Amino acid sequence: NAGVTQTPKFQVLKTGQSMTLQCAQDMNHEYMSWYRQDPGMGLRLIHYSVGAGITDQGEVPNGYNVSRSTTEDFPLRLLSAAPSQTSVYFCASSYGTVNQPQHFGDGTRLSIL
Amino acid sequence: GENVGLHLPTLSVQEGDNSIINCAYSNSASDYFIWYKQESGKGPQFIIDIRSNMDKRQGQRVTVLLNKTVKHLSLQIAATQPGDSAVYFCAENTSLGYNKLIFGAGTRLAVHP
Repeated sequence: NAGVTQTPKFQVLKTGQSMTLQCAQDMNHEYMSWYRQDPGMGLRLIHYSVGAGITDQGEVPNGYNVSRSTTEDFPLRLLSAAPSQTSVYFCASSYGTVNQPQHFGDGTRLSIL
Repeated sequence: GENVGLHLPTLSVQEGDNSIINCAYSNSASDYFIWYKQESGKGPQFIIDIRSNMDKRQGQRVTVLLNKTVKHLSLQIAATQPGDSAVYFCAENTSLGYNKLIFGAGTRLAVHP
C-alpha cells in the first residue's frame, strides 16, 4: 500500500492562477480531508468528505473547492490563487468517519507570488 | 513542512530520559483526542488516541493521559531517543460526529545525546 499520495510536492503560482492539488489513497478509506498548515500553527481543516459524492466545509473553506467522484481521489482546487493561500497542504484519510485516526500524506508546499 | 515549528514551545531532554508533552484543549464536549508526530518535511504521523470515556491509554513507549476536569491532555514518552525529535501535535474532535479535528499549535521535542 502506498497510503496517502499527494502531488505535486512543490508548486509556485502567480496570483490569480488556478490549480488542482491531487490526493489519492489506496486503503479504501471512507473519510478524506484537506488541511493547511502555516508556520507556527497547527493544521486547519479546509474541506472533508465522508464518502464518494459527499463533501462538506471545514474551518477555513473560502477560496477552495473539492469534489469526491471516487473513493480513492479527493482533489483540492484553488480557483484564483491569492498570496494568503501560501501554505503547506495536507490530505488525510481514515477508514471510519467518526473518531478514527487519520493517515496523512507528505504534503504539497504551495507558494503564491 | 520545512517551516513547521517556528516559534513553537520547545522541550529539550536528554536521551534516555522520559518526556512529557502537555496540551490544553478547548471544548469540554470533545469526545476524541489524538497525538501526532511530525518530522521536518513530512506529514503528521499517528502516535496514539484516546476517547473521552478513558483517562489513560498506553502504547509502545508512549502513554496518553486525559484529565477532563481541567481539559488537559499529556503525552508521555519513555526512554526518549534521538529519533523522537520532532514536533508533536494534539488534536480534539469537537464535532461530536465526523472526524473534524482541531489541532493545537504543537510542541517541538529536542532530544540531546
